[in-house]
Formats: sequence, structure tokens, C-alpha cells
Amino acid sequence: SQTIHQWPATLVQPVGSPLSLECTVEGTSNPNLYWYRQAAGRGLQLLFYSVGIGQISSEVPQNLSASRPQDRQFILSSKKLLLSDSGFYLCAWRVSGTISYTFGSGTRLTVV
Amino acid sequence: SQKIEQNSEALNIQEGKTATLTCNYTNYSPAYLQWYRQDPGRGPVFLLLIRENEKEKRKERLKVTFDTTLKQSLFHITASQPADSATYLCALEVNAGNNRKLIWGLGTSLAVNP
Repeated sequence: SQTIHQWPATLVQPVGSPLSLECTVEGTSNPNLYWYRQAAGRGLQLLFYSVGIGQISSEVPQNLSASRPQDRQFILSSKKLLLSDSGFYLCAWRVSGTISYTFGSGTRLTVV
Repeated sequence: SQKIEQNSEALNIQEGKTATLTCNYTNYSPAYLQWYRQDPGRGPVFLLLIRENEKEKRKERLKVTFDTTLKQSLFHITASQPADSATYLCALEVNAGNNRKLIWGLGTSLAVNP
């Protein structure tokens, strides 16, 4: 079956520290992968999407970066976190040719 | 400017009644409109999708309508149950250059009281 794994579930990090969030999918190949952020009172904001290994598109300029080292692995990173990076980070995938998105369980990041 | 709006106030209804949630948009020409359910601390879960040339879609107790003239979608849950309590998000898929992009509403919180 097709599943998506995202970890960790919660994370508290100090300002200026690095970040690495990982997302992996199973049961599918060559998915489109997405990183979203959901801040309080704001809608889901698309941060990055990837249509294949090494292919990353950035939607908004920010303190974050993404990488896709393997077909089913998508990583969100930062070298130095800011307070404004706090939020609920969601990984999602969509098989090419389909329309709906499948989301991971999310990571609640608090930068202190 | 382009925007998508959902009822900002939480909706409280009695068990067994029909819940109706609204999604309005401006300045988009969406190819699809999708509805998702999100529980606290969890990722959204896909419920239904309706295409621009469809008026209505049903799935069990759920019904979605899409009026491209009014630029509005209504999401109905009939015979509502306390387990239906969650936040419901609508999302438009629109053309963005060579790609398609999903634009999300802020969601409407639904509470079904026993």
C-alpha cells in the first residue's frame, strides 16, 4: 500500500540552529513531492515541490531549502533557524496523473 | 487580488443535522476544487474533488457543489455525527504557467454536538 512517513512529530529548536526534516513515501514510484507550512491563522503555504530526483522548485524566498536525494525521499533543511520558521510542516505526495494529495502527519516546529 | 475564502467562524451543529460549509474564490479559473478534512495536529486528508464542468459530486454522506458563475463551492455533510468534527479545507487547483498550483483556504472548523 501507499504510505508517507514524516518525522519527527514535534521539534523544539533554538534560533540559529540547523534543521533537517525528512519525508519518505512507500508503495509508489516517481511521485511529485511537496513541502508545505501551515502557520496559525494562515492557510497551507507551498514551500517546495519536486517532480524527480534532484529537481526542486522553490515557491517563496526564505530561510529554508529542500533536497530530493532519492526518488521517494524529500528533505527540508535550514542552516540557521529563525523565530518565524515556527509552524506545522507537512510533506505531501501526488502520483503523476492523479489529482488529490496525500499528506504526512506533519512536524510541529517551535523555534525558541 | 486572488483569494479563496471559507467561513471564518466555527460551525456548531446538532448531531443528525446537515452541515453546510462554504468556499468562495475570486479571480481564479480553477480546473478542480478539492475538499480535505484536517484533525488537530494531523495532516489534511482528501475527501472529494469536483471538476470545473461538474455541478455536484457525492460520496456517502458527503456532497459537494461547484458553481463557477458564483465562484463558490458548498460542502454538505448529511446526518452529521460527532466524529465529523474537524476542520475542513477547500483548495483550488489553478494553472500557474507550465504547472498547476493548489491554492488553499484557511478552513472552517466544524463541531457536531451529540
